Amino acid sequence: GENVEQHPSTLSVQEGDSAVIKCTYSDSASNYFPWYKQELGKGPQLIIDIRSNVGEKKDQRIAVTLNKTAKHFSLHITETQPEDSAVYFCAASKQASGTYKYIFGTGTRLKVLA
Amino acid sequence: NAGVTQTPKFRVLKTGQSMTLLCAQDMNHEYMYWYRQDPGMGLRLIHYSVGEGTTAKGEVPDGYNVSRLKKQNFLLGLESAAPSQTSVYFCASSYLPGLNGYTFGSGTRLTVV
Repeated sequence: GENVEQHPSTLSVQEGDSAVIKCTYSDSASNYFPWYKQELGKGPQLIIDIRSNVGEKKDQRIAVTLNKTAKHFSLHITETQPEDSAVYFCAASKQASGTYKYIFGTGTRLKVLA
Repeated sequence: NAGVTQTPKFRVLKTGQSMTLLCAQDMNHEYMYWYRQDPGMGLRLIHYSVGEGTTAKGEVPDGYNVSRLKKQNFLLGLESAAPSQTSVYFCASSYLPGLNGYTFGSGTRLTVV
């Protein structure tokens, strides 16, 4: 079945360093890839997304890259800050049954050490 | 603008009891979803709705029912709770899920003993 693999499951970085989280998807028909940040006790919040007709998208310290041939996409956070500490989820989606169904990765717990 | 509101935030049920989780959104979104989140398993889709009066099964629908009588509300019901339904439940809504993602609620932590 369709699945999304996310690595690493945990990541610790020093404040100011960069963090990279990688996801691989199985369904080549997937064409929308959102990333979510989940802080403790809260719901996931969309932080950046990319569609399959774009190879890279950047928003301040956050960027996402997509390699359709290899079916993987990555989240890059530069100049990390303590408030970046959270669990990050990737998702791959395609249109099906009247909506876009998201397949989520299992999450990466990012710790930014001050 | 409250976004997506879930009630209750916490609940403890005994095996066999029933309950309804309420999700309300004030963004006039057509699409609404119920997910469960379990450690190491990410978010899994239970049921979803593409508009008022419609519902459909997701990845893990067994043991759950839903209703979308009003556009702004999406109810998730557990008819006979089981310990395997202990989880954190998230509701989400979207205007254009293939363009601008979901807006999630803050979750309901359910424990079935």
